[in-house]
Amino acid sequence: AQSVTQLGSHVSVSEGALVLLRCNYSSSVPPYLFWYVQYPNQGLQLLLKYTTGATLVKGINGFEAEFKKSETSFHLTKPSAHMSDAAEYFCAVFLRGATNKLIFGTGTLLAVQP
Amino acid sequence: EPEVTQTPSHQVTQMGQEVILRCVPISNHLYFYWYRQILGQKVEFLVSFYNNEISEKSEIFDDQFSVERPDGSNFTLKIRSTKLEDSAMYFCASSEMLGSGYGYTFGSGTRLTVV
Repeated sequence: AQSVTQLGSHVSVSEGALVLLRCNYSSSVPPYLFWYVQYPNQGLQLLLKYTTGATLVKGINGFEAEFKKSETSFHLTKPSAHMSDAAEYFCAVFLRGATNKLIFGTGTLLAVQP
Repeated sequence: EPEVTQTPSHQVTQMGQEVILRCVPISNHLYFYWYRQILGQKVEFLVSFYNNEISEKSEIFDDQFSVERPDGSNFTLKIRSTKLEDSAMYFCASSEMLGSGYGYTFGSGTRLTVV
């Protein structure tokens, strides 16, 4: 069965520090992988996605993620956290040819301390 | 930038009442979805819709739920007789292509509170 695991439901970093949000997936077919961000009382906004090609993908707001097939991971990083990055981040997987739905992880709430 | 629009943003209803949540997907998108997020929990798939019929649904999407595209622009989710456990944020999404390498565009959600 396909699944997405996000390690750490809450992550706190200092402003200017590295942000690392972890995501692992299980899939028997090549997946499409996504990171979405949800700011308080708002909807889900696409940060970045991996479909094919380059395994390091860059998204909005300075975020990037690297698809590592050998580790079945798609961790989200940002070199320097900003206060405005405080939000909930969801990793999601779409299994090509197997289904017609995005499957979300449980989310990671990122807090940024001044 | 094209948006998915959901109305209302908040709805409070009494248990047992019917509710209809409305969504206007992006105009050239062909695939439509409903997801829900119970407070503090993960975002869960409810149903996908294409060519005027359901293409996939989850175990959550039981006989109390139905979806419709009544007029070519709106996409609605109806809950026939609401229960307390239906309280959640409901998200509509649309995508241009099946296979979703493009990703879904989500609306801002409708917060449903059943009392």
